[in-house]
Amino acid sequence: ETGVTQTPRHLVMGMTNKKSLKCEQHLGHNAMYWYKQSAKKPLELMFVYNFKEQTENNSVPSRFSPECPNSSHLFLHLHTLQPEDSALYLCASSLQGVREQYFGPGTRLTVT
Amino acid sequence: GQQLNQSPQSMFIQEGEDVSMNCTSSSIFNTWLWYKQDPGEGPVLLIALYKAGELTSNGRLTAQFGITRKDSFLNISASIPSDVGIYFCAGPPKAGSYQLTFGKGTKLSVIP
Repeated sequence: ETGVTQTPRHLVMGMTNKKSLKCEQHLGHNAMYWYKQSAKKPLELMFVYNFKEQTENNSVPSRFSPECPNSSHLFLHLHTLQPEDSALYLCASSLQGVREQYFGPGTRLTVT
Repeated sequence: GQQLNQSPQSMFIQEGEDVSMNCTSSSIFNTWLWYKQDPGEGPVLLIALYKAGELTSNGRLTAQFGITRKDSFLNISASIPSDVGIYFCAGPPKAGSYQLTFGKGTKLSVIP
């Protein structure tokens, strides 16, 4: 059972498109995260938000733009992506100061 | 950056057998987390460990925090087909950090 939902579950987009991924957590957490999962690579942390404030940006290209309007919602805006950006994008949440993170089911993104 | 090494990378076992896998780090960790990921889904937290030498169980799963603080072990007893998936270890790469670094995972296949 997961209290973190992500939409859409699957997305195919062209390199000139603009799309957004959405994450919502129902766990009362106040920290949210975006990860990228590519084949044969460890999960890569992209962004961290604590109490709606971005606290980490791990050298992510500007074609990925996060938005956290409140502690329950997190978005990842995508524009002019490259084929190598195709991956599973995972959202997670936690209580601030607690290391246990809970993941959503992910969005499988394919860039054509 | 900090890396976690998981072994084995993959394993095939007969249903009913016990399974052991481990995770090692070149530096000391003060938290170890174990996750399982089913195909097409996000990782699910199985067990969290916070003290060196700690042994924690969750049903047929048992995890241990190594006494050197540089490793952790996950055991699954009497495996069943639904144990199939990828098992990840994770931990904070820096003292006081609440971000996680992940291993590449151990892929488990169970032969009925």
